[in-house]
Amino acid sequence: DAKTTQPNSMESNEEEPVHLPCNHSTISGTDYIHWYRQLPSQGPEYVIHGLTSNVNNRMASLAIAEDRKSSTLILHRATLRDAAVYYCILDILYNNNDMRFGAGTRLTVKP
Amino acid sequence: DAGITQSPRHKVTETGTPVTLRCHQTENHRYMYWYRQDPGHGLRLIHYSYGVKDTDKGEVSDGYSVSRSKTEDFLLTLESATSSQTSVYFCAISESSSNQPQHFGDGTRLSIL
Repeated sequence: DAKTTQPNSMESNEEEPVHLPCNHSTISGTDYIHWYRQLPSQGPEYVIHGLTSNVNNRMASLAIAEDRKSSTLILHRATLRDAAVYYCILDILYNNNDMRFGAGTRLTVKP
Repeated sequence: DAGITQSPRHKVTETGTPVTLRCHQTENHRYMYWYRQDPGHGLRLIHYSYGVKDTDKGEVSDGYSVSRSKTEDFLLTLESATSSQTSVYFCAISESSSNQPQHFGDGTRLSIL
């Protein structure tokens, strides 16, 4: 199975940028990189996804390495509401969206 | 927010009893999924559906069955609940099977005593 590796936890200060790393050295050429987050007592929430090019949306930016073996989720200005567990997941083509969630990175945002 | 409703939100039951969890969507999405979340394991896929009456097994399907008689409803049944099935269960939906985000419900916390 294609796997991802993320740090267990990270801390950030409020209103500062946050860079959440993810390694996926066994990624295939057709695997999309998805990011989700999960706030306490809630279901996971889609954040962003991409294939090769960097992606931006209203929530975050996704920077994908040229060799695609790693990616970084960027929160441009962290708020207290961004404190959550962030999951980096590979969406494997023709795998019926069976995305394997790992332990993720627990982000703490300090005021 | 995607229109996904899970019911019940909380349930306590006894070992050996049947349990059915319901997921209802208002988005008319083709794909629906059931996950369980346990400490140390992240989310694991139980079953998924790719259309009415079309379902398939996920990573941890033993002890669970599903049914989808209408586009909007996906039921998860524990025929004879065991304590190892105590977990938080999440339903998700997506428009297609790849390159599409999944949208999750708020979960059902199930305790089996």
